[in-house]
Amino acid sequence: AQKVTQAQTEISVVEKEDVTLDCVYETRDTTYYLFWYKQPPSGELVFLIRRNSFDEQNEISGRYSWNFQKSTSSFNFTITASQVVDSAVYFCALSDNTDKLIFGTGTRLQVFP
Amino acid sequence: NAGVTQTPKFQVLKTGQSMTLQCAQDMNHEYMSWYRQDPGMGLRLIHYSVGAGITDQGEVPNGYNVSRSTTEDFPLRLLSAAPSQTSVYFCASSSIPYGYTFGSGTRLTVV
Repeated sequence: AQKVTQAQTEISVVEKEDVTLDCVYETRDTTYYLFWYKQPPSGELVFLIRRNSFDEQNEISGRYSWNFQKSTSSFNFTITASQVVDSAVYFCALSDNTDKLIFGTGTRLQVFP
Repeated sequence: NAGVTQTPKFQVLKTGQSMTLQCAQDMNHEYMSWYRQDPGMGLRLIHYSVGAGITDQGEVPNGYNVSRSTTEDFPLRLLSAAPSQTSVYFCASSSIPYGYTFGSGTRLTVV
């Protein structure tokens, strides 16, 4: 069965600190997709990244970076020089060949000025 | 704007009432799904559909019905609302492997 674990329920940092959000997944499929979504206080779900199981290259987008390691079944998300606007709930999610998207329980990030 | 449209945004129901949450997408996606979001539990899959005329149950289907008569629409029906169905509901559509698009959510309170 598929499963996504986000062990960090809540993280608090001060502005400009770096922060890493952990995501560990379980699947028996060899083809799958991993996602990160951001949910700001306004409530909508904002797509951040999609990564397929055959592409283990790390990705950087501005202050955001993602570290995909199949050996440890992890897909961690790092925010560099965090800002107050980064305060949100972040969800990691997994999709296999059945198209179902399974979410982790989310990590609430609070960035204080 | 292209995307997923959910209505209503807010709803208060009395226990035992029925209602339908509407979801429509204009991206010609085959796959659509409904999630509920509860504090500390992330988003849990209620029902999903891989195309018109095809639906299946997700993780928490009890108390909900769906149908998919067209590619564009995927309504979620609450047959007899219960306080345990108080939640935020999200509809999503996708075209794997290009990712999922979510609606803005419906906040439902059952009293």
